[in-house]
Amino acid sequence: KNQVEQSPQSLIILEGKNCTLQCNYTVSPFSNLRWYKQDTGRGPVSLTIMTFSENTKSNGRYTATLDADTKQSSLHITASQLSDSASYICVVVPIQGAQKLVFGQGTRLTINP
Amino acid sequence: NAGVTQTPKFRILKIGQSMTLQCTQDMNHNYMYWYRQDPGMGLKLIYYSVGAGITDKGEVPNGYNVSRSTTEDFPLRLELAAPSQTSVYFCASSLPGGTQYFGPGTRLLVL
Repeated sequence: KNQVEQSPQSLIILEGKNCTLQCNYTVSPFSNLRWYKQDTGRGPVSLTIMTFSENTKSNGRYTATLDADTKQSSLHITASQLSDSASYICVVVPIQGAQKLVFGQGTRLTINP
Repeated sequence: NAGVTQTPKFRILKIGQSMTLQCTQDMNHNYMYWYRQDPGMGLKLIYYSVGAGITDKGEVPNGYNVSRSTTEDFPLRLELAAPSQTSVYFCASSLPGGTQYFGPGTRLLVL
């Protein structure tokens, strides 16, 4: 069964610090891997999209990496800000049935002042 | 542009009641989706549509129905509400293979 597992489930860090969120997946073959940010009470918003051949993609202070051999991705947040407090969701798009995206359960990140 | 809009924002239903969750997008996207999000779980696909008049089941379609008569609208119908349908429902739209844009969600409580 296609699965996406994220770790940690939750994370608390101080403002200004860096952090890395992990995503392991079993979806294969896949066309792309996405990271979304979901603020409390809002819908998810896309941060990055990486095709299976890309290793890294940045969006401001957010940098996503992808290792298709080990089926792992990470999202690194640099110099965290209070507004980074949110859930971060890893999503894998299979080649077969590309409309049926596979969502991870998310990592809840809290930035404390 | 408003993007993806959903109504209502919040609703309480009694067991056995029916309701329709509305979703509209103004980006001329072909693809539209309905998801539910339960606490601590990933989003689950209920139904999706690749264009007007075309719909297909997702991972958890039981208890729901959809229609797609126009490009802009993709309503989700609950016929006989059950407590297991208590959840937050998100509508999304995209171009083929493109980024999904999500609405703000509808929180549904079935008592």
